Amino acid sequence: AQSVAQPEDQVNVAEGNPLTVKCTYSVSGNPYLFWYVQYPNRGLQFLLKYITGDNLVKGSYGFEAEFNKSQTSFHLKKPSALVSDSALYFCAVRYDKIIFGKGTRLHILP
Amino acid sequence: DAGITQSPRHKVTETGTPVTLRCHQTENHRYMYWYRQDPGHGLRLIHYSYGVKDTDKGEVSDGYSVSRSKTEDFLLTLESATSSQTSVYFCAISEWTSGSTDTQYFGPGTRLTVL
Repeated sequence: AQSVAQPEDQVNVAEGNPLTVKCTYSVSGNPYLFWYVQYPNRGLQFLLKYITGDNLVKGSYGFEAEFNKSQTSFHLKKPSALVSDSALYFCAVRYDKIIFGKGTRLHILP
Repeated sequence: DAGITQSPRHKVTETGTPVTLRCHQTENHRYMYWYRQDPGHGLRLIHYSYGVKDTDKGEVSDGYSVSRSKTEDFLLTLESATSSQTSVYFCAISEWTSGSTDTQYFGPGTRLTVL
């Protein structure tokens, strides 16, 4: 069975510092992996995806994610956090169907 | 929000009443989905559609039905609303074809309160 886990409910980062939001997955084959962001009172917005190829994927708003097959992880990263990055972040995995993680709330502290 | 609208955006209803939520898209995407979002649970799939009149159940389909009579509209019906169905409901669309990756695009959501 496929699954996705976001081990941290909340992550706090000081503005200007690098940020990482963690995601691990479990599927039996080669998955497609996604990150979405949700701002208050809005729907989810697509950030980036991994299909195949280069393990480092670049997406919107300066975010990137690194696919690590041996660790079955797809962590979201940004070199320098902005207060406006504060939001709820969802990792998703698609193999035969798409499954979303429970979300990680990112707080960027001014 | 990628040409997706949801109506109503907010609704308060009473236990036992029927409720219908509407999702409308202008992208002509084949796939449409209904999710509910609850604290601690993330997004859970209720039902999805892979074409006109073609629908299937998701992981939390009990108490919900759907219909899709046109490509652009996907209706979610709560036949007899219960307090456990108080949630935020999101519609999503995607185009799953050869070479695509089923990236989903979400509507703005409907906040439903069942008293």
